Amino acid sequence: AQKVTQAQTEISVVEKEDVTLDCVYETRDTTYYLFWYKQPPSGELVFLIRRNSFDEQNEISGRYSWNFQKSTSSFNFTITASQVVDSAVYFCALDPAGGFKTIFGAGTRLFVKA
Amino acid sequence: DVKVTQSSRYLVKRTGEKVFLECVQDMDHENMFWYRQDPGLGLRLIYFSYDVKMKEKGDIPEGYSVSREKKERFSLILESASTNQTSMYLCASSLEREGTQYFGPGTRLLVL
Repeated sequence: AQKVTQAQTEISVVEKEDVTLDCVYETRDTTYYLFWYKQPPSGELVFLIRRNSFDEQNEISGRYSWNFQKSTSSFNFTITASQVVDSAVYFCALDPAGGFKTIFGAGTRLFVKA
Repeated sequence: DVKVTQSSRYLVKRTGEKVFLECVQDMDHENMFWYRQDPGLGLRLIYFSYDVKMKEKGDIPEGYSVSREKKERFSLILESASTNQTSMYLCASSLEREGTQYFGPGTRLLVL
């Protein structure tokens, strides 16, 4: 079975704190894709990153960084020096190769307080 | 920029009504998707389409149907709305099979 688990339902931090959102996935496929999306209060999911299963390099984009570890089936997302505008629901997703059926986690709601 | 638009942000319908949710994308994407989003469950795929007039069931197709007569438009139809279909409905499109999906703003549907 394919599954994405985001164990953290809600996280609350104070501005400028670092925060890590956890994502654990299950799949038997050797080729797959992992994604992170952000859903701000406006409702529209916004793409953040896509990673294929053969690329375990960590990625940094400004204050955002992603740690992909196949050994633990995890694809965690860290926001450094969080800001109020980071408040949103964040979804981790798994896409099996050759398929259209993306599996989304339940999402983690992040509150960043000023 | 890819633009995905949905016909309504908020919709209130009565049980038994036929409901149409429209989605339009302007980037000539082959693939389009309909999801519903419920608290604690994330997004669940209802139907997807990989070409005009082609459609496939997702994980929760019961009670829904879809139509794709033109490449840019993908409609979700609730034949006879029920209260358990109260939810947020999100449309998305993508260029590649496992590619990034671009989402519309969502339609929050309340069935009374």
